[in-house]
Amino acid sequence: AQSVTQLDSHVSVSEGTPVLLRCNYSSSYSPSLFWYVQHPNKGLQLLLKYTSAATLVKGINGFEAEFKKSETSFHLTKPSAHMSDAAEYFCVVRRPQAGTALIFGKGTTLSVSS
Amino acid sequence: EPEVTQTPSHQVTQMGQEVILRCVPISNHLYFYWYRQILGQKVEFLVSFYNNEISEKSEIFDDRFSVERPDGSNFTLKIRSTKLEDSAMYFCASSYTGSTDTQYFGPGTRLTVL
Repeated sequence: AQSVTQLDSHVSVSEGTPVLLRCNYSSSYSPSLFWYVQHPNKGLQLLLKYTSAATLVKGINGFEAEFKKSETSFHLTKPSAHMSDAAEYFCVVRRPQAGTALIFGKGTTLSVSS
Repeated sequence: EPEVTQTPSHQVTQMGQEVILRCVPISNHLYFYWYRQILGQKVEFLVSFYNNEISEKSEIFDDRFSVERPDGSNFTLKIRSTKLEDSAMYFCASSYTGSTDTQYFGPGTRLTVL
């Protein structure tokens, strides 16, 4: 069965410094991987997705993630944090040809200080 | 930009009562989903719905749960005989196609069962 593990429940950075949110996945097949973000009182918004094309995926708001099969990782990065990046981030997996259900990690809360 | 909307934002009910959570998916989408997140836990898949029938459901989606698309715009989740453990944030999502497409989420309805 596929699953995702977000290695940090909470990450704190200063504005202007790099962001790294870590995610490892477990899947018997080449998965589809996603990062979603949730700002307070808002819905889950797609940041980026990997579906077996390029291993480096660029998303919205300057975020990107690299699919590393050898490490079963899909870490989310951003070169320079902004105050508006403070939110909850979810790493999500879906096994191709195995239905429509998304499987979520527990989430990482990103705090950004000035 | 089109978005998924959900009403109400917060629903409080007594144990044993029935509740209906409402969602308006993005207008040209064909697949509809419900997920839930119990406080402090992962977002979990409940059900997917296509062509007026359930296409996939999880073990959480027992016979107290039902979904319906009563008209061309609404998608509802009904929970009968509510239990304390049904207290959670319920998210609706929609997508244009099934397993290969991005799911767009609403802001959620917080259900509190007393």
